[in-house]
Amino acid sequence: DVKVTQSSRYLVKRTGEKVFLECVQDMDHENMFWYRQDPGLGLRLIYFSYDVKMKEKGDIPEGYSVSREKKERFSLILESASTNQTSMYLCASSPVDTNTGELFFGEGSRLTVL
Amino acid sequence: QKEVEQNSGPLSVPEGAIASLNCTYSDRGSQSFFWYRQYSGKSPELIMSIYSNGDKEDGRFTAQLNKASQYVSLLIRDSQPSDSATYLCAVLLYSSASKIIFGSGTRLSIRP
Repeated sequence: DVKVTQSSRYLVKRTGEKVFLECVQDMDHENMFWYRQDPGLGLRLIYFSYDVKMKEKGDIPEGYSVSREKKERFSLILESASTNQTSMYLCASSPVDTNTGELFFGEGSRLTVL
Repeated sequence: QKEVEQNSGPLSVPEGAIASLNCTYSDRGSQSFFWYRQYSGKSPELIMSIYSNGDKEDGRFTAQLNKASQYVSLLIRDSQPSDSATYLCAVLLYSSASKIIFGSGTRLSIRP
């Protein structure tokens, strides 16, 4: 069974903390994505990666960075968490042919920044 | 202008009726369009994809695409309570390979 695993389902952090959200996929997919989901705003793309050590900015990269040292792992980093980064974060992966549109999502990480 | 726009709803439809969900997009060069369903507290899952103008049917679901009008729709026939969910329209942008952008979603409620 294909799987995208996000390391933490729920996190509570303080303003200014550095936060790591980890995502691992076992499908040997080339592409990996980080989205955040907020009520009324849908899924907004933060960053995506189409290969190891490659990354592209999405629509809302400010305040975030990413790391992809291995094909199966894509990490989202909040260098200095702020309250407006409180959100649900969804990681997804897809094979190299994204024309199928099939993204495989993890269960999400709900981050609260106090 | 948002790249992908949907009416947020909620859209309430009686059981057994047809639910119609609509989406517009701004990137005229886009070629690939998708509908995802998201149950409350769950992650999105792909239910339909469409690439050519016209209709594409899969069971009770029909996706419709009109590239000239930059318009995508999803019809759900014989709506069931289990269809109650948020439906997300997504577009693979022509301008940036591999970049899939989502609309804000339409919340659909099927009333018995």
